[in-house]
Amino acid sequence: AQSVAQPEDQVNVAEGNPLTVKCTYSVSGNPYLFWYVQYPNRGLQFLLKYITGDNLVKGSYGFEAEFNKSQTSFHLKKPSALVSDSALYFCAVRDLRGGFKTIFGAGTRLFVKA
Amino acid sequence: ETGVTQTPRHLVMGMTNKKSLKCEQHLGHNAMYWYKQSAKKPLELMFVYSLEERVENNSVPSRFSPECPNSSHLFLHLHTLQPEDSALYLCASSQEATVVNTEAFFGQGTRLTVV
Repeated sequence: AQSVAQPEDQVNVAEGNPLTVKCTYSVSGNPYLFWYVQYPNRGLQFLLKYITGDNLVKGSYGFEAEFNKSQTSFHLKKPSALVSDSALYFCAVRDLRGGFKTIFGAGTRLFVKA
Repeated sequence: ETGVTQTPRHLVMGMTNKKSLKCEQHLGHNAMYWYKQSAKKPLELMFVYSLEERVENNSVPSRFSPECPNSSHLFLHLHTLQPEDSALYLCASSQEATVVNTEAFFGQGTRLTVV
C-alpha cells in the first residue's frame, strides 16, 4: 500500500538559513513524488515533482527536492529561506498500482523567522 | 490563480440543511477531484471523476453526493451533515486521472462549518 510520512509537524528556521522539510514514502512500484505548498486560506499549490532521471529536482520559488531511492526519501530544500516561505507543505506520492489515488502526507508547517 | 474556482468560499449550515459546493476549472482538464482537509489530518480523497464519469468513491457517507455535469464543472451536494463534517473542502483538477506523473491544480477551497 502507498503511504507518505512527514515526520515533523513544524520546522522553524531563521531567514537566510537553509531549510529542509522531510518526506519518506512507501510504494509498491516506481514512485511519482510531488511537493505542494498551502498558504493561509488558500488551496494547495504545486511546487515540484520527481518522475524519473536526475535525483535533484528544481521547482518554483527556489525550492528543490532530492530523491533518494535507497532511503525512500524525497526531502524538500531551499538554500536560503524567506519569511514569505512560511506555509504548510505537503509531500505526495502516486504509483501505477495506486490507480487514481494521490496519497498526501499530513503536512509540515514551516515557520521562517525574520 | 490556479484556474480552479470554488464557490462559496465559506459556508455555515445547519444539520438539516441542504447545500451545494461548486467547482469550475478553466484548464481543459479531464479529471476532477473532491478532497476533505480536516485539522491535523492528511488530505482525504473523496471522489474522482474522469471525463464526467465517477471512477473513485472513497467510502464517503451518502450525505455527500457528487455531480459532474461536464468536464469543467463539479458539484458536491450536502444534506443532513454532522458537525464532524466541518472542514475545508478542496476541489482539484488534472489533465488525466490515470496519468500518474501529472500534478493537480487546486481551488482555494470552501470552509464548511456545520452547526
